[in-house]
Amino acid sequence: QSALTQPASVSGSPGQSITISCTGTRNDVETYNLVSWYQQHPGTAPKLIIYEDVRRPSGVSNRFSGSKSGNTASLTISGLQAEDEADYYCCSYVGRTTFVVFGGGTKLTVL
Amino acid sequence: QEHLVQSGSELKKPGASVRISCKASGYTFTRYAMNWLRQAPGQGLEWMGWIDTDSGKPTYAQGFTGRFVFSLDTSVSTAYLQINGLEAEDSAIYFCARRTTTYYFDYWGQGTLVTVSS
Repeated sequence: QSALTQPASVSGSPGQSITISCTGTRNDVETYNLVSWYQQHPGTAPKLIIYEDVRRPSGVSNRFSGSKSGNTASLTISGLQAEDEADYYCCSYVGRTTFVVFGGGTKLTVL
Repeated sequence: QEHLVQSGSELKKPGASVRISCKASGYTFTRYAMNWLRQAPGQGLEWMGWIDTDSGKPTYAQGFTGRFVFSLDTSVSTAYLQINGLEAEDSAIYFCARRTTTYYFDYWGQGTLVTVSS
């Protein structure tokens, strides 16, 4: 099972919105509504920010939102803040043989 | 409040074994699968597999069979990852993470750095 495809890096200025894409196939992202997103600051563990494509855990800012179209899921961060600078990973369920696969990660730089 | 606490950093020689622990608290341990993930230096997250905390059955991802062993001690709500025959390429941070029934990881351990060097 190939990894999901994410851009290596994105950037934006404070207050702007950015979107990170996560492209899979019809066998994973498109078939299952089970994409999750994680934020990881340097030296820390990943933190869940979106699950089941679009749901946001309690305590996560509503500036983070998830969406999906076909085989591509997206994470949008609105009103960028300096603290959003981190690595972001998508993950999808891919069936009962491989179970889950991650994207390669996207480094967000807040200019 | 759910919490996963992992054991500390390890420095091992090639060929040795290492066992990492992941102690859960704040929830019923056997209700959620425990997963293990690897992050090599400067790299992304790699899913290693999971262990059914109710039955004890492990499932290993491709590339993590043979030298990697998942185990449990449910009496102390702890999961273990053992890596045998360590190689330099095993140098990484290893995370445990609680997985829900819809395949997302809602709680993570803080990570354990394993360094393999002669």
